[in-house]
Amino acid sequence: KNEVEQSPQNLTAQEGEFITINCSYSVGISALHWLQQHPGGGIVSLFMLSSGKKKHGRLIATINIQEKHSSLHITASHPRDSAVYICVLGGGADGLTFGKGTHLIIQP
Amino acid sequence: EAGVVQSPRYKIIEKKQPVAFWCNPISGHNTLYWYLQNLGQGPELLIRYENEEAVDDSQLPKDRFSAERLKGVDSTLKIQPAELGDSAVYLCASSLNGGELFFGEGSRLTVL
Repeated sequence: KNEVEQSPQNLTAQEGEFITINCSYSVGISALHWLQQHPGGGIVSLFMLSSGKKKHGRLIATINIQEKHSSLHITASHPRDSAVYICVLGGGADGLTFGKGTHLIIQP
Repeated sequence: EAGVVQSPRYKIIEKKQPVAFWCNPISGHNTLYWYLQNLGQGPELLIRYENEEAVDDSQLPKDRFSAERLKGVDSTLKIQPAELGDSAVYLCASSLNGGELFFGEGSRLTVL
């Protein structure tokens, strides 16, 4: 069974700061997802990665297949970025493995 | 295109009553998931369907929970009888061939 570790578990930062959330896993995967969940809200898919890097607005996600590691970066962070960010492995025949999530608070 | 649609959004019932949740995934998505999410916790898988086949229901409490996905499209999750500990948000998600995940808004259950 694939193990997934997210860090940090909790992160509080000031508006405008560059944010990095990390995800490491133990077994090779077909894909990795980054999800966002605002307090009391639904879950939104931010990225699906199998290699390299993807960018959407102020969000950047990278994955290093050899090192079994992915990062989610937020540039010019804003209070509306405050949410739980979840790393999820897989999506094929083996199903999904969820990380425990990173609780991010961006203070104005 | 509509996303994953779940209903009802909210449901309040007394313990021992039955309850059912409905999920309409994105058209054409072969994989459908039901998750349970407690407050402040991550989602926990209840059941995963590939088309109409339940390929992972190992975490589904089969004494009181049941699910079906007739014709490999819509799905229904039922709890009978409900217990106080079943109060949670029930999430449905779908994907196409292991691709991007799409989640519904969830059905929030309160058991009194």
